[in-house]
Amino acid sequence: DAMVIQNPRYQVTQFGKPVTLSCSQTLNHNVMYWYQQKSSQAPKLLFHYYDKDFNNEADTPDNFQSRRPNTSFCFLDIRSPGLGDAAMYLCATSAGQGAFGQPQHFGDGTRLSIL
Amino acid sequence: AQKITQTQPGMFVQEKEAVTLDCTYDTSDQSYGLFWYKQPSSGEMIFLIYQGSYDEQNATEGRYSLNFQKARKSANLVISASQLGDSAMYFCAMREGHAAGNKLTFGGGTRVLVKP
Repeated sequence: DAMVIQNPRYQVTQFGKPVTLSCSQTLNHNVMYWYQQKSSQAPKLLFHYYDKDFNNEADTPDNFQSRRPNTSFCFLDIRSPGLGDAAMYLCATSAGQGAFGQPQHFGDGTRLSIL
Repeated sequence: AQKITQTQPGMFVQEKEAVTLDCTYDTSDQSYGLFWYKQPSSGEMIFLIYQGSYDEQNATEGRYSLNFQKARKSANLVISASQLGDSAMYFCAMREGHAAGNKLTFGGGTRVLVKP
């Protein structure tokens, strides 16, 4: 089945130690998104890639970076994680142009803990 | 102003009964879409149902239906015959016609607990 896969499911890192979360997709979608979701809150969009074009949300901290080396993979890098960065990180994909009525497809998320 | 408002932070529903989850939205776009997602405690976001702004019929998908009232800017989700597995967080989301990259704006969510 075509899907969005996030690894790892759970990630523990130390305060200030860089961490990378990964997302892959077999849907061949143009757009990939990264969301941060804290407990009992709505997902908050950090940024998205439309093909190779990177689109940052205005309020995304500089501490968060992303890479998309090819269509299938997208990475979220947190350069110096703080305690406030502990959250669920969700990756999603969308087919892009012509797919206005199509839903975003989400991975199962990576739950990040900071020690 | 909030673009998507879900006024019910949490609610209980008896198994086998129907439940309505409220969602109101605010946009000046003529073209927009409304989505509902379910998020169980395990964390994955599951797409449930979609309503386009130009759709004249209310969307239905199995036990899920959408009560779309365009003039009131509301898109309430109705879950019929609730099951224990329906216990989850439910998010309403909007895609606006002008939004780049098919971005979604999410409401704050409603937590539903189905009682046996």
